[in-house]
Amino acid sequence: EADIYQTPRYLVIGTGKKITLECSQTMGHDKMYWYQQDPGMELHLIHYSYGVNSTEKGDLSSESTVSRIRTEHFPLTLESARPSHTSQYLCASRAPGETQYFGPGTRLLVL
Amino acid sequence: GENVEQHPSTLSVQEGDSAVIKCTYSDSASNYFPWYKQELGKRPQLIIDIRSNVGEKKDQRIAVTLNKTAKHFSLHITETQPEDSAVYFCAASSPFSSNTGKLIFGQGTTLQVKP
Repeated sequence: EADIYQTPRYLVIGTGKKITLECSQTMGHDKMYWYQQDPGMELHLIHYSYGVNSTEKGDLSSESTVSRIRTEHFPLTLESARPSHTSQYLCASRAPGETQYFGPGTRLLVL
Repeated sequence: GENVEQHPSTLSVQEGDSAVIKCTYSDSASNYFPWYKQELGKRPQLIIDIRSNVGEKKDQRIAVTLNKTAKHFSLHITETQPEDSAVYFCAASSPFSSNTGKLIFGQGTTLQVKP
């Protein structure tokens, strides 16, 4: 089934750990996005990609990095997690001029 | 750059009443305007969208209107039900600006429908 997947769904981790949030989509979309969102609050774009080997920083400064080696895969990495990184991270993908779909999100808690 | 302002930030209505959420955008080249609904603990999901070549679109109890001259668009929900309670986000997209391909989201409106 065509969808967008995120793992893990929930993550509790200690300060200073390196983490990678996975995002995959099976719709063949070129455009993929990462948003940071506190519960019920604004969607903040932190990274986006227009295709393989294309990545850009979003509107909200983030200490995370992303990569896009395959069309369907857009992982986000935090080299050293801090309590300020506690939030929900939503991945999304979109075909040109078409609907943007969101993944189910990863809820991150950094202790 | 492109900016989208959304009002109100919170809206409380009685079941059966109508709810209206308004958004204004800054980039006159914007041509695609989706609305997303995000229920508690869930992902945002598209509920309706409109393109700049039409002024209004309806889908059962929801409708969206677009005023290109004034650069604003609105979401209308009629006969509200408790299950309409959620956070609603508007967005705009332009094919020509530096934001090509990106949806610019409004700040969100928390709608509460009281039984």
